[in-house]
Amino acid sequence: QQQVKQSPQSLIVQKGGISIINCAYENTAFDYFPWYQQFPGKGPALLIAIRPDVSEKKEGRFTISFNKSAKQFSLHIMDSQPGDSATYFCAASSQGNKLVFGAGTILRVKS
Amino acid sequence: GAVVSQHPSRVICKSGTSVKIECRSLDFQATTMFWYRQFPKQSLMLMATSNEGSKATYEQGVEKDKFLINHASLTLSTLTVTSAHPEDSSFYICSARDQSRTNEKLFFGSGTQLSVL
Repeated sequence: QQQVKQSPQSLIVQKGGISIINCAYENTAFDYFPWYQQFPGKGPALLIAIRPDVSEKKEGRFTISFNKSAKQFSLHIMDSQPGDSATYFCAASSQGNKLVFGAGTILRVKS
Repeated sequence: GAVVSQHPSRVICKSGTSVKIECRSLDFQATTMFWYRQFPKQSLMLMATSNEGSKATYEQGVEKDKFLINHASLTLSTLTVTSAHPEDSSFYICSARDQSRTNEKLFFGSGTQLSVL
């Protein structure tokens, strides 16, 4: 019930391409869905987040798509750059409670 | 943006010693802070929730006597790994919620790499 399933485990994208990472959840009480970017040896940094009352949110090259009925949400990175190479985590929480993290996706953008 | 400072960034200690890790919210007050543990190429695992002025809430399987948490002020929480052993070697990360914001953003520290010899 508390899990957030993330896929793929790893992803290789050409520079300029679109990176897509997917997450699925079971707990319908979740009401906050953030994405974090983590570089080696560093803490995660919030990229973008969405609430279930909207189906899409865009900030620069990063877009979250949210499908409430399917209980799925995804991160799209447009015009992927080598500097985007990092580990990405989706997460979810309910009413400001503790975050539940996905397993992470290692993204490598080839130049 | 809000900043969470974590110190030290890296520590190497001998088996049996204790190590203290500090987590500070620099420009906001945090009544709640969270401590995570992360093994290489794995996700973040919540260890405990630190509440200012009260006892921490530990996740199942986390030894509270092993991982001592103190949240003495609205801007500082500490994690002490007592009698550290090699299996405690890991990346420890704290986070804090800026509750003055309505969007519930959670900010993370830069992490502490603990190596126990």
